[in-house]
Amino acid sequence: KNEVEQSPQNLTAQEGEFITINCSYSVGISALHWLQQHPGGGIVSLFMLSSGKKKHGRLIATINIQEKHSSLHITASHPRDSAVYICAVSYDGNKLVFGAGTILRVKS
Amino acid sequence: GAGVSQSPRYKVAKRGQDVALRCDPISGHVSLFWYQQALGQGPEFLTYFQNEAQLDKSGLPSDRFFAERPEGSVSTLKIQRTQQEDSAVYLCASSPFLAGASTDTQYFGPGTRLTVL
Repeated sequence: KNEVEQSPQNLTAQEGEFITINCSYSVGISALHWLQQHPGGGIVSLFMLSSGKKKHGRLIATINIQEKHSSLHITASHPRDSAVYICAVSYDGNKLVFGAGTILRVKS
Repeated sequence: GAGVSQSPRYKVAKRGQDVALRCDPISGHVSLFWYQQALGQGPEFLTYFQNEAQLDKSGLPSDRFFAERPEGSVSTLKIQRTQQEDSAVYLCASSPFLAGASTDTQYFGPGTRLTVL
């Protein structure tokens, strides 16, 4: 069983829809990261969280430390948001342990 | 400024060949990580450097894999006697801080896609 579980694995949405991607992990962490990966492209860090909530543009990330759960929300989704979204955790500020990723496709 | 760069971007090797993958981190970044990403999966940790010291190599899958960062900047991941199961994207990431710092964003390179025939 992966230490980091993401859901859903695949998600198709219509342009403008509100999107939620979930991530759960099994043991205490020092930080949780949300990352974006476009096909053939590198990985871009979206958020790093250790508590609470962060917002950047149309993206919102929340984390519940007690429940070991985080969500990434995209408001007013757009086709350019289509990418793989990856949740990753670090235990001591060192290496990242990644989830398998959520493939998001936003249709116009 | 320049981000993390990796070369080559694509590498095709015949089974049994040795390959060397290069990572140029962001200038001044202390920490450097190598990850392996198989097709359709999330990346997996291979090894970590703090300056020139390799502090964690627990993710290297076999003794055919070797990494170095002799001057604390550029790093090379070498795979000897490549096998088909080594086919993957190899990602390099750097971070300005020492591992253990509570605020540590990693900056990723574009990756090297290795195909072993």
